[in-house]
Amino acid sequence: AQSVTQLGSHVSVSEGALVLLRCNYSSSVPPYLFWYVQYPNQGLQLLLKYTSAATLVKGINGFEAEFKKSETSFHLTKPSAHMSDAAEYFCAVRGNTGNQFYFGTGTSLTVIP
Amino acid sequence: NAGVMQNPRHLVRRRGQEARLRCSPMKGHSHVYWYRQLPEEGLKFMVYLQKENIIDESGMPKERFSAEFPKEGPSILRIQQVVRGDSAAYFCASSVAADGNTIYFGEGSWLTVV
Repeated sequence: AQSVTQLGSHVSVSEGALVLLRCNYSSSVPPYLFWYVQYPNQGLQLLLKYTSAATLVKGINGFEAEFKKSETSFHLTKPSAHMSDAAEYFCAVRGNTGNQFYFGTGTSLTVIP
Repeated sequence: NAGVMQNPRHLVRRRGQEARLRCSPMKGHSHVYWYRQLPEEGLKFMVYLQKENIIDESGMPKERFSAEFPKEGPSILRIQQVVRGDSAAYFCASSVAADGNTIYFGEGSWLTVV
């Protein structure tokens, strides 16, 4: 069975500071992992995905994530936070049957000016 | 706009009425997924469909909820006899069979039951 756990439902950072959003996964097979961002009253937008190629994945808006098998982690980072980064972020793992995707409970990012 | 299209964006229903939510997948996509997002919660998988087939409905409530994806037209999520607890955002996503490792989401349909 596959699942993801997002540590910290709310994260606050100052503008210009490092953003680190944590995600740990559980998977019995090599996982496909994803980060999505959701702005208020909108759908989810794909930030980046890991599909067993390079372990460091670069996405849109300056975000990147590193797949660490030994730690079963896929944390999302951005060197310098912008006000426009304030949103809800979801980590997801793709199941190995039925094409189902399993989402974490989300982390709300607040950027303080 | 070639993205996943959902309508209506907002729907208000009285208890006991029926709600129908529609989803047109991205062009070329033949796989559709429905997710429900309750306030302060993450996305919960409901159902996964291909054209004319329900592949996985393990997340669908046993009663009142149904989904279809006909050969022609959009996918429809139908909720009969709505209750207040059905108030949520319902998101549709789609993928291409050959690229099923990524799903793309629509803007969502917000259902409010009064």
